[in-house]
Amino acid sequence: GAGVSQSPSNKVTEKGKDVELRCDPISGHTALYWYRQSLGQGLEFLIYFQGNSAPDKSGLPSDRFSAERTGGSVSTLTIQRTQQEDSAVYLCASSSAAGDGYTFGSGTRLTVV
Amino acid sequence: DAKTTQPTSMDCAEGRAANLPCNHSTISGNEYVYWYRQIHSQGPQYIIHGLKNNETNEMASLIITEDRKSSTLILPHATLRDTAVYYCIVRANTGNQFYFGTGTSLTVIP
Repeated sequence: GAGVSQSPSNKVTEKGKDVELRCDPISGHTALYWYRQSLGQGLEFLIYFQGNSAPDKSGLPSDRFSAERTGGSVSTLTIQRTQQEDSAVYLCASSSAAGDGYTFGSGTRLTVV
Repeated sequence: DAKTTQPTSMDCAEGRAANLPCNHSTISGNEYVYWYRQIHSQGPQYIIHGLKNNETNEMASLIITEDRKSSTLILPHATLRDTAVYYCIVRANTGNQFYFGTGTSLTVIP
């Protein structure tokens, strides 16, 4: 696609429910990144994919968070048993190679009530 | 992994040049300087990057000192739409994720 697409754009969920966030990177981009940004805060790195593998999962805040990428394209970030502190904007970015600049999507705003 | 230092905030008059400084005194020889910006409620946007030579594109110019310990991002004619948080990041071009610090909040004033 022309840009990085994320869905849904907004998600409100009840505490304890599981949520899935989707990212469609730019076609042909091999590297894919997930970040989150809490209100008024900077960007927090979560996980990075090169192809379908995740060389760096160091930013995942707990074992409730997981991510996968299939076919070297779409990625899904799953948060199990959501907590209120998970409320944030979840941003996905892709690049044509690990060293290139990123293109970010518009994010998914997650609100846990 | 804070390798850069930027002022917290800056103001700039509309139509004037905005000069955003960044210190990166511990930069390594293989690390590039990248600049991104984030307009309110949007994802960050890539602006420019460079190694040691000055760079210019349609958005901005990047001036890197000869010792590479600091750089300046220049928006030649700031507009109200340039109001954003500007992030200066150093990273090897074979590196993985970018570490975004707190950036500089630039406000362009009419």
